[in-house]
Amino acid sequence: QLQLQESGPGLVKPSETLSLTCTVSGGSISSSSYYWGWIRQPPGKGLEWIGSIYYSGSTYYNPSLKSRVTISVDTSKNQFSLKLSSVTAADTAVYYCARQQQGYCSSTSCYALGNFDYWGQGTLVTVSS
Amino acid sequence: SYELTQPPSVSVSPGQTARITCSGDALPKQYAYWYQQKPGQAPVLVIYKDSERPSGIPERFSGSSSGTTVTLTISGVQAEDEADYYCQSADSSGTLFGGGTKLTVL
Repeated sequence: QLQLQESGPGLVKPSETLSLTCTVSGGSISSSSYYWGWIRQPPGKGLEWIGSIYYSGSTYYNPSLKSRVTISVDTSKNQFSLKLSSVTAADTAVYYCARQQQGYCSSTSCYALGNFDYWGQGTLVTVSS
Repeated sequence: SYELTQPPSVSVSPGQTARITCSGDALPKQYAYWYQQKPGQAPVLVIYKDSERPSGIPERFSGSSSGTTVTLTISGVQAEDEADYYCQSADSSGTLFGGGTKLTVL
């Protein structure tokens, strides 16, 4: 059974960089069928996609966060990571990592990203001094 | 920017049918996916590719698509179905979620 586990500091100071790692077990992050994504959820609010990465290193980012986000992958450790720079209180959220199916091509367009099927339990990151 | 619009809340009595909608201009050309999220838990995929149900998801969960709106239908709602529900679809930059709908079982 595939499992994902987020790890990293639960408290980050404003203006600093938030860093989280997702460790994948029970399957290979190098599978050609999947992307690996980060999603966050501020307390009491909805889900926000942050970005996704393929095992080769190809990435997609949410345009609203793109200037501050870096997602990387370490296939030797079966891990992928998130860095979010210049954080503020608005970045306080539960951060989830998840496996994402590859997308599809319709008659008119191709979409790289599909649904998320396996999720980590999530980790709360609070931005505060 | 592209958005997926969901009603903030839907209420239904046990045994009744709940319908949760998700609207987006590009939905006629794209698949939609649905997630259930209970308090303190990670989301769970309940519908993929508009109407496909993952293994282990009860048959009372179904999905449909019509024009710019996709609908998650829960037939014979049970108390355990009370949760937040999110739609997800693709956009030009990757993917996005709807704002979520809180399903209350009266």
